[in-house]
Amino acid sequence: GPKVLQIPSHQIIDMGQMVTLNCDPVSNHLYFYWYKQILGQQMEFLVNFYNGKVMEKSKLFKDQFSVERPDGSYFTLKIQPTALEDSAVYFCASSQYGEQFFGPGTRLTVL
Amino acid sequence: AQSVTQPDARVTVSEGASLQLRCKYSYSGTPYLFWYVQYPRQGLQLLLKYYSGDPVVQGVNGFEAEFSKSNSSFHLRKASVHWSDSAVYFCVLKNNNAGAKLTFGGGTRLTVRP
Repeated sequence: GPKVLQIPSHQIIDMGQMVTLNCDPVSNHLYFYWYKQILGQQMEFLVNFYNGKVMEKSKLFKDQFSVERPDGSYFTLKIQPTALEDSAVYFCASSQYGEQFFGPGTRLTVL
Repeated sequence: AQSVTQPDARVTVSEGASLQLRCKYSYSGTPYLFWYVQYPRQGLQLLLKYYSGDPVVQGVNGFEAEFSKSNSSFHLRKASVHWSDSAVYFCVLKNNNAGAKLTFGGGTRLTVRP
């Protein structure tokens, strides 16, 4: 089936540094999402994105977070600066109009 | 506001036994409902989805779910589980707008004893 790719699979950084998580969505998809999973359990919505704009963001999407997809390339999540509580697995997803397809996740560890 | 509750955080069954994982949702409109499965250190895979019509929907690997509007439920079932079904299962809700966010239940960790 359709594949969403995420790069890198694991990132370790020091608190206060900037990090960019990359997502390569399914090629003909129109909507893009980031979700955050803490402790291997609760999956929570961060943000969705369509036509170059953020549609909706949750309260977890702090001011230090930003997303973009310049010229149809990677859909990125940038965190600047990072905090300890940003340690989690971040999942990217994409969809046309219905089912969302998920990537394998990026495990972010903030020291 | 919309929410999903999975009352059982952990379920353990023996291989070959039947399975039901419970899911209750809260949403004022017509929900789109999904069950996703997550294997260790992997992303999420869609098991099945309900948009409308027949309340019993079939999914992959012998899973099915039944939508009940009166009970606000979408329970997942399987007649006979296999050890490879051990994973975390998420019940998920979405409204019917394109591009809308998914709202996840807390997940149920299923362990199948050989």
